[in-house]
Amino acid sequence: SQELEQSPQSLIVQEGKNLTINCTSSKTLYGLYWYKQKYGEGLIFLMMLQKGGEEKSHEKITAKLDEKKQQSSLHITASQPSHAGIYLCGADINNAGGTSYGKLTFGQGTILTVHP
Amino acid sequence: ETGVTQSPTHLIKTRGQQVTLRCSSQSGHNTVSWYQQALGQGPQFIFQYYREEENGRGNFPPRFSGLQFPNYSSELNVNALELDDSALYLCASSWGPRGRYGYTFGSGTRLTVV
Repeated sequence: SQELEQSPQSLIVQEGKNLTINCTSSKTLYGLYWYKQKYGEGLIFLMMLQKGGEEKSHEKITAKLDEKKQQSSLHITASQPSHAGIYLCGADINNAGGTSYGKLTFGQGTILTVHP
Repeated sequence: ETGVTQSPTHLIKTRGQQVTLRCSSQSGHNTVSWYQQALGQGPQFIFQYYREEENGRGNFPPRFSGLQFPNYSSELNVNALELDDSALYLCASSWGPRGRYGYTFGSGTRLTVV
């Protein structure tokens, strides 16, 4: 969707390296979600960010929300083969009333490969 | 706490046929949303059901329809299947239509139309 740009489209890293995936919305965000997906499977919830400047971490994955830029970044520290998969950001767009539309608009995803 | 379950996991249908996909929401969730994910793309919102009524719809034709039952489970029906309907169909449940505590996705139903 052009409303949500995710970069890079693919990423190949050596095990142990750090990496960052970016997600930029063309519209004001009510919330931003990060999911991980194994090929052909469902989405695994990673994090939800709703406030500007918010930062959340889970194990070696950290996500931040820059409200001014309508942008979020997902950072993986010391990557492992278990981190491999497709990372999807989903934007909950702010409606005219300042609340959620109740639907997520997704980027195309970032395919992450981690070589042992 | 049970997560979101979808059935069947895989399905092959012929063009022109009709299909019904099923979704059981996570315990405590009262809202179900359906998404279509084509190969290599991010999921696209089809519609949402809250209090047994459609509560928002994406850019999908009327041959995509749904139902929500009193136990909050849901069905997605697609009539007159087209080849382009081949995709992974994902169901997501939430507490409330605005997903205040997030959206939990199921494992999906892989539909192939031949």
